[in-house]
Order: sequence, then C-alpha cells, then structure tokens
Amino acid sequence: GAVVSQHPSWVICKSGTSVKIECRSLDFQATTMFWYRQFPKQSLMLMATSNEGSKATYEQGVEKDKFLINHASLTLSTLTVTSAHPEDSSFYICSAQGQILNTEAFFGQGTRLTVV
Amino acid sequence: DAKTTQPPSMDCAEGRAANLPCNHSTISGNEYVYWYRQIHSQGPQYIIHGLKNNETNEMASLIITEDRKSSTLILPHATLRDTAVYYCIVSGSGNTGKLIFGQGTTLQVKP
Repeated sequence: GAVVSQHPSWVICKSGTSVKIECRSLDFQATTMFWYRQFPKQSLMLMATSNEGSKATYEQGVEKDKFLINHASLTLSTLTVTSAHPEDSSFYICSAQGQILNTEAFFGQGTRLTVV
Repeated sequence: DAKTTQPPSMDCAEGRAANLPCNHSTISGNEYVYWYRQIHSQGPQYIIHGLKNNETNEMASLIITEDRKSSTLILPHATLRDTAVYYCIVSGSGNTGKLIFGQGTTLQVKP
C-alpha cells in the first residue's frame, strides 16, 4: 500500500529552540496532508490541514504562529514547532490521502518530540 | 461529521474472533465508516471502510446495519499482534483524508 514517511522518528530539543518535522508521501501525490498531535493515553487530535501551495488551515485552539506548516510540493509537508517548551512534548503524526476521494488515509510512523 | 461511540475496552482470546462494535446513530447518507487501529507508539493503520454494504479484506470484515446507525468490525482470528486501540470514524462524502478521532476501543488479545 501507499507509504507516508515521517522524519525524524524522535527528537529531543532544548526549550526555546525550533524543531522541524517532515512528512513525505513516497509513492503518491497528496494535495492535502494532515497533522495530528497525541498526548500520552489520549486520542489523536487534529491540529491542521496542510494544503499544497496555499496556507494551512488550523483547528480551533492551535496557534498558527507556533506550529508553522509548509506544503511546498505534492509529496512533502513540514511542521515546525517554534520556540518549543516542555508542554509541546508530544507525539506528532501526519497523514495523507491520494487524490481519489473517499479512500483511505495513510499515516506516518509519528515523531516523538521531547522538549527539555 | 457524525459522532461515534465505542466501548473503551474489550478482551479477546487468541485465535477467536474479535467483534468490535461502533455506534454512529447520527450518520448521514453520504458518510462513510472508517476503521483504523493504532499499536502503541506507532501511527494509525488503516483497516477497512464502507458506505452501506458489508466489506471484507485480508485484515477484517465490516458489517454495517441496514439503517447504518451502527457497525461491527470483525477480526476473524485474533492474534496477540492485534492488540491495539481501534478507532471507528465517520467521515463525509468528498473526504480528502481529514479524520476526527474519538477515544476508540482498546482491544487486548490474551493467550
């Protein structure tokens, strides 16, 4: 099946620094990708919709200036956590669907971010 | 998108069928039912989806009631590797992949 790859799988950064997470669709083009965040023992929470060639759409309560999303090509979306703080430590997951509607979405393996 | 209700947890004996229920009583006519699962510390994995007909693939079967207000995911011969959180999600027609996750059902397959 289709593959979505995230990089890095885990990252530890110092408080106040920025971290970039990449999400790639390896064998299909995705005009839309999605970013989720998951805290321990909780479900996935949709953060934003990444739109190729245009601005991302953020869910209510998600700070767009803190979580910068860039979707510069049909196979790559990036999420940058700016000025990270310990409360941003979480599991970040991306997903993408091919260009046929009502099919399945494919998820990356996730990125474990720890801010110290 | 319609809301779904799932039991928080279930147990299943290894080798037996696991039947995971999902209630989606407010589903509308053009909404699909999707099932995903998440094994600890991994991204969710697609299992199956359907609109109104029952569906089967190499992983599971999806049984949707005639009124479409509920569905059941069936893992025919559960193994220990099927231990995971299973999410039932309803998503509208024209879905581009945006999924709103509920709390899911934690399935524990026991030897």
